[in-house]
Amino acid sequence: GAGVSQSPSNKVTEKGKDVELRCDPISGHTALYWYRQSLGQGLEFLIYFQGNSAPDKSGLPSDRFSAERTGGSVSTLTIQRTQQEDSAVYLCASNAIGGAGHEQYFGPGTRLTVT
Amino acid sequence: AQSVTQLDSQVPVFEEAPVELRCNYSSSVSVYLFWYVQYPNQGLQLLLKYLSGSTLVKGINGFEAEFNKSQTSFHLRKPSVHISDTAEYFCAAQGAQKLVFGQGTRLTINP
Repeated sequence: GAGVSQSPSNKVTEKGKDVELRCDPISGHTALYWYRQSLGQGLEFLIYFQGNSAPDKSGLPSDRFSAERTGGSVSTLTIQRTQQEDSAVYLCASNAIGGAGHEQYFGPGTRLTVT
Repeated sequence: AQSVTQLDSQVPVFEEAPVELRCNYSSSVSVYLFWYVQYPNQGLQLLLKYLSGSTLVKGINGFEAEFNKSQTSFHLRKPSVHISDTAEYFCAAQGAQKLVFGQGTRLTINP
């Protein structure tokens, strides 16, 4: 079946602009995660959704970052007033029920470049 | 809170040689441990995971890992590597929901 998909695959934006990154999880997966992969910081957790709620948003680096999930499916990560340090690959993952010990299925990522 | 340390940023090996990628973790609570692989320009794919029980875990593509509680380690091994194993490998710990990743080890296979 279809895996996790993310769009766009690449995004180049100017410093100060807002960007939206989209994640389509595997159908039926209630848990959704956003991670960021950058050269300096490695792979970092950003936010976790269970259904449409975000019980853990502890990894969002600043108030310029926000995310929402609608209909228990698609999620959008929004970065306002982008900075060069936001350049990274943003990865989305999902799994069927959340909880510890279960595989998270990752999408291919969105590569964001802020110029 | 958990933390994960991958002791080698790069590991070069010859084809058909054995390899070990090292991972140490620290946690004040019980954790689950994972190894993920990332091929160039792709997302992460699960290789194997340790939840409980037998400390030797077998995964896909001939990889295995051994959980050692006393040494807080979860090293990944393969007895004979192939060119197609060239990738970046990430060790991760999970206490609740989120995965906490190590910095990654880039495995390069020389013919």
